[in-house]
Amino acid sequence: DQQVKQNSPSLSVQEGRISILNCDYTNSMFDYFLWYKKYPAEGPTFLISISSIKDKNEDGRFTVFLNKSAKHLSLHIVPSQPGDSAVYFCAASAASNYGGSQGNLIFGKGTKLSVKP
Amino acid sequence: DAGITQSPRHKVTETGTPVTLRCHQTENHRYMYWYRQDPGHGLRLIHYSYGVKDTDKGEVSDGYSVSRSKTEDFLLTLESATSSQTSVYFCAIRQVGTDTQYFGPGTRLTVL
Repeated sequence: DQQVKQNSPSLSVQEGRISILNCDYTNSMFDYFLWYKKYPAEGPTFLISISSIKDKNEDGRFTVFLNKSAKHLSLHIVPSQPGDSAVYFCAASAASNYGGSQGNLIFGKGTKLSVKP
Repeated sequence: DAGITQSPRHKVTETGTPVTLRCHQTENHRYMYWYRQDPGHGLRLIHYSYGVKDTDKGEVSDGYSVSRSKTEDFLLTLESATSSQTSVYFCAIRQVGTDTQYFGPGTRLTVL
């Protein structure tokens, strides 16, 4: 069973508009969440993270929102640019001692974002 | 740039042959990871290491083994490659004090 779910395989947005990528998780032990961006033929690149003690974290055009009660997080990109076109992965970890795999990341399947000029 | 390199970057091999992929890091990170990425599956953890000679299994470890004889190198071995192991393999390191991982450029492996 998937512990981290990205239910939208793809998303298309017009340049300059907001992109919203969503992620749901099932494991209440997760307390650290990350977003990665991946271009074809490259490794994933860390984008932004959030700890469960916060509900929002911003870094330039990127903002991550965390709703712990709903076990849901989202990544907002404003304004979207054509260079943002990539696959975005959501990931989560349980930083506390959890099953001996402390700090290992669990990834969603990814959402492919296309930003059209 | 977390100073991670992977070799080879591309490899084509035949079913039943052994294959070793290498991950090399230059920043003395304690934790290292091997993932595979497949369409429809995202990134799945194969094995990880939490120090020299200290390794453990991940979600999809069957058919793979690893070794870490020195801090900077983490090797992934397919003892007898199968077509189901055709994939893109990524190595990662974990930044000290956080759970943030940084990835290498990947190795595309094709098993015919």
